[in-house]
Amino acid sequence: AQSVTQPDIHITVSEGASLELRCNYSYGATPYLFWYVQSPGQGLQLLLKYFSGDTLVQGIKGFEAEFKRSQSSFNLRKPSVHWSDAAEYFCAVVSGTGNQFYFGTGTSLTVIP
Amino acid sequence: DADVTQTPRNRITKTGKRIMLECSQTKGHDRMYWYRQDPGLGLRLIYYSFDVKDINKGEISDGYSVSRQAQAKFSLSLESAIPNQTALYFCATSEGSSGANVLTFGAGSRLTVL
Repeated sequence: AQSVTQPDIHITVSEGASLELRCNYSYGATPYLFWYVQSPGQGLQLLLKYFSGDTLVQGIKGFEAEFKRSQSSFNLRKPSVHWSDAAEYFCAVVSGTGNQFYFGTGTSLTVIP
Repeated sequence: DADVTQTPRNRITKTGKRIMLECSQTKGHDRMYWYRQDPGLGLRLIYYSFDVKDINKGEISDGYSVSRQAQAKFSLSLESAIPNQTALYFCATSEGSSGANVLTFGAGSRLTVL
């Protein structure tokens, strides 16, 4: 069965520092992978997605993620964090038929001045 | 207007009451979903619908029912609410029949059952 693991429940970084959020997935075939962000009191917004092709994908708000098949990972990165990036981040995988999406438990990001 | 609209945004109710959460979308998507979010558990799928005549249970459907009134409308009902159904509920939509889908979420409905 498909599953997604986000090992870090909570991360704190200083504004301007780099960020990496970890995501590991379990899926037999080539996965479709996503990162979503949830700001306080808001719904989930798509940051970026990987379907195929270039393993380094660019998203909105300066985020990028790299798909590494050998490590079953899809880590999210940002070179310089802004205070407005404080939010909860979810990694997700969807089956090839697109029938179900599987979400990780989320990583909460705090940004300190 | 938002692409996916959920009502109510907040609701406090008592144990045993019937509750309906409504979702409407202007995306023209065939697929609609209801998720539940609990702290530390992420999002879990309650029900999903691929068209008006197609309703499927998700991983945590017990205690919930749904109705797909039209392509644009998908409601979630709690027939007899209980306190452990206190959670943040999200409606989402997607198009297509392959994995190359993207979910579009509503803003969420926060339900508190006392």
